Amino acid sequence: GAGVSQSPSNKVTEKGKDVELRCDPISGHTALYWYRQSLGQGLEFLIYFQGNSAPDKSGLPSDRFSAERTGGSVSTLTIQRTQQEDSAVYLCASSEPGRPEAFFGQGTRLTVV
Amino acid sequence: SQQGEEDPQALSIQEGENATMNCSYKTSINNLQWYRQNSGRGLVHLILIRSNEREKHSGRLRVTLDTSKKSSSLLITASRAADTASYFCATDGAGYSTLTFGKGTMLLVSP
Repeated sequence: GAGVSQSPSNKVTEKGKDVELRCDPISGHTALYWYRQSLGQGLEFLIYFQGNSAPDKSGLPSDRFSAERTGGSVSTLTIQRTQQEDSAVYLCASSEPGRPEAFFGQGTRLTVV
Repeated sequence: SQQGEEDPQALSIQEGENATMNCSYKTSINNLQWYRQNSGRGLVHLILIRSNEREKHSGRLRVTLDTSKKSSSLLITASRAADTASYFCATDGAGYSTLTFGKGTMLLVSP
């Protein structure tokens, strides 16, 4: 079956512009995670969705960052007024109900120029 | 701060040698997982060990967990050039609902 799909694979944007990153989780997976990874660094947690529960937004670095998950499936991460320090790979992952193993997409590499 | 911290940050070995990576964490966990990442893109789940387990094997992988020391190790035996990647530990547990990753160990296996 299909894995976690992220789009676009790469995005170059000008400083100050808004960007939307999309994540299609594996069908039936109720948990969805967004992480950010700067070059050569570890994964920085951004936001976590679990079923119909309120999302855990504790990792969002500023109010320029927001995320939605529509219908318990597709998720969109929006970054407003992008800054150069937002340049990173944004990774999405999903997992089955009751199972902690996460399945990752290939990420979106965001470059802010 | 991040829950898991791996060491070493980088490890360089020859094919056929064993590679050992360590992970330390700070708070109580339900599970500890190890993931692999090639070329800075998506991570692949390797192995999970539960808090009531002490050792687990999967193929050439061996994971140990010491909850009293809040540490885990990943051993890759008879390494291959194809094992070259970054390896991350991740924890989940009471008090937080998501997976928290360490900074990773970069493993280079030379032919």
